[in-house]
Amino acid sequence: DVKVTQSSRYLVKRTGEKVFLECVQDMDHENMFWYRQDPGLGLRLIYFSYDVKMKEKGDIPEGYSVSREKKERFSLILESASTNQTSMYLCASSSDTGDKQPQHFGDGTRLSIL
Amino acid sequence: SQQGEEDPQALSIQEGENATMNCSYKTSINNLQWYRQNSGRGLVHLILIRSNEREKHSGRLRVTLDTSKKSSSLLITASRAADTASYFCATSQGAQKLVFGQGTRLTINP
Repeated sequence: DVKVTQSSRYLVKRTGEKVFLECVQDMDHENMFWYRQDPGLGLRLIYFSYDVKMKEKGDIPEGYSVSREKKERFSLILESASTNQTSMYLCASSSDTGDKQPQHFGDGTRLSIL
Repeated sequence: SQQGEEDPQALSIQEGENATMNCSYKTSINNLQWYRQNSGRGLVHLILIRSNEREKHSGRLRVTLDTSKKSSSLLITASRAADTASYFCATSQGAQKLVFGQGTRLTINP
């Protein structure tokens, strides 16, 4: 089974801090994704990556950046955390065989910015 | 941008009954996927239906797709308490990207 591991289940940070959320997958998947999930808004794509060192903006990239130095690891960075970034963050991965493959999700990081 | 919209937003039924959730979308798609999310957890893939398919089954799940109406439905038969979760449809227009709806929150009452 594919395992996608997010480094923290719960995280509390302060406004203005630089925050790193880490995600690791163990199935050699090419594609990795970061979403945020908010009540009433569903899942929204922040950034995704097709390959090492490659990144693409999703629908809501403002205030975020990403890093993919190794194939198995995809990091989401909040450059200067703000209270409106309090949310559930979900990482996912999928294999590179067209768009017929499901995405595999981690259990999420619930981030609170105070 | 929201592509899939689920209906209803919430559904509460008795154990053993069937549950039906609907998803509508706006643009042409390559495939449509359904996911389940238990409270406080990540999403789990349930079933994928391609744009040239009309119906697909997996255990107690039955998914239909009507591309002319741009809609899909997920039917869960003989519901169980463990089916209590949120259910999301996600549409693919290519390039491995998915667009998720807001989800249907399903509660199965014992």
